[in-house]
Amino acid sequence: DSGVTQTPKHLITATGQRVTLRCSPRSGDLSVYWYQQSLDQGLQFLIQYYNGEERAKGNILERFSAQQFPDLHSELNLSSLELGDSALYFCASSVGVSPLHFGNGTRLTVT
Amino acid sequence: QQQVKQSPQSLIVQKGGIPIINCAYENTAFDYFPWYQQFPGKGPALLIAIRPDVSEKKEGRFTISFNKSAKQFSLHIMDSQPGDSATYFCAASIGETSGSRLTFGEGTQLTVNP
Repeated sequence: DSGVTQTPKHLITATGQRVTLRCSPRSGDLSVYWYQQSLDQGLQFLIQYYNGEERAKGNILERFSAQQFPDLHSELNLSSLELGDSALYFCASSVGVSPLHFGNGTRLTVT
Repeated sequence: QQQVKQSPQSLIVQKGGIPIINCAYENTAFDYFPWYQQFPGKGPALLIAIRPDVSEKKEGRFTISFNKSAKQFSLHIMDSQPGDSATYFCAASIGETSGSRLTFGEGTQLTVNP
């Protein structure tokens, strides 16, 4: 168990809808990262937060947004969903020089 | 320049064999190269990592070989077991602190037959 908790495990929704994915990092980890894993794109970095502040942005669509709260949990908001957004979304956390610890992901299916 | 290329896409070996997975990178600023192992339904988990100041690192049955001049690195799994069947990802980043982010290879699905 990595200590990173992601909810929900599965999410099925329709095109055009909005969903929120939640991540609780390992205790003490200040950085949270979001990655998208799809069959054709592999693991793609979306965004990183450090202690509540956005630190780095990757291939994140404008329809997607994230935030990290004072208790360090993070949420990834996906709106105006399209079929192509169906993927596994992983959250990872770290602190200092520790390696990234990944949660078990949220599988999003857009129908 | 941020890409990491990984091969092969899939690999099947017999128990006891030595699967080798290769990765190549372009960005010479990368200085941290981890390998992650992912089982179905789970998130990637760190297996072993190397910095470019060494040419080889071994942890148990897993060995990373690193060739800085060729900008390539590879994972060798000695005496492979059916339990090693998983997807393996190489990755690279600039620095390994919490300010860094990983660029992943495309992944290799390894099957070890009994």
